[in-house]
Amino acid sequence: QVQLQESGPGLVKPSETLSLTCTVSGGSISSYYWTWIRQPPGKGLEWIGYIYYGGSTNYNPSLKSRVTISLDTSKNQFSLKLSSVTAADTAVYYCAREGGWSSGHSLFDYWGQGTLVTVSS
Amino acid sequence: EIVMTQSPATLSVSPGERATLSCRASQSVSSNLAWYQQKPGQAPRLLIYGASTRATGIPARFSGSGSGTEFTLTISSLQSEDFAVYYCQQYNNWPRTFGPGTKVDIK
Repeated sequence: QVQLQESGPGLVKPSETLSLTCTVSGGSISSYYWTWIRQPPGKGLEWIGYIYYGGSTNYNPSLKSRVTISLDTSKNQFSLKLSSVTAADTAVYYCAREGGWSSGHSLFDYWGQGTLVTVSS
Repeated sequence: EIVMTQSPATLSVSPGERATLSCRASQSVSSNLAWYQQKPGQAPRLLIYGASTRATGIPARFSGSGSGTEFTLTISSLQSEDFAVYYCQQYNNWPRTFGPGTKVDIK
C-alpha cells in the first residue's frame, strides 16, 4: 500500500520560502506525477504542480514564478519550494500521486494526510 | 484554465434520502472528471473517475453521470458517514482544477 507523508515547518515568515518534503513509502517513486495540492482554511483545493520521475515538471500558471518541485529518488522523496510567501499562502499542503493510468484515466489516487503551513511574522 | 462550478454550495439531506450534486465545466472535459469526498481533518478520497466509474472500495450507492460540461454525483441513500464535502475535478487539461465543493450536511 502506497503511503505519502508531508514534513516541514508549520510556520513561515512573510517574504520567505516555504519548503516541504513528501516521503513515499510502500512503492517506488518511479513513474507517476508526484503532485502538490493546497487548501486554504475553509476553502477549496488548488493544484500547485507535479514532477515526473524523469524530472519534468508542470506548474500552475498562477504560482509558476514562485514554485519549484524537485525529486530525490534515492530517498523516495519529492519536495516543494514556494518563494516570497504571503498570508494568502497559508493552507494545508497535500502531496499526492497522480496515476491510475492503466485505467485510461489520470487520478489523484494516493494522498498524504496534509500539513498546515501558516504564513505569519 | 477550465473553471469548475458546483451546485448547490450546501445540501441538507436526511439520512436515507437521496442526494444529487451538480458540477459544471467552463468547457468540455469529455469524461475526464473525478469526484472526491473530504471529511474534516482528512485528505480528499477518490470516489468516482471517468465521470461514472467507482473507485476501488466505493459503495454502490455512489454513482456518477455526465460528459462534456455537465456532471452529476448521486448518493442514493445517505448514510451517516456520507456527510462531507464533495469536490469535482477535471483532468482533461492543465492546470488540473477543482470545483469549490458541495457540503452535504444533516437535515
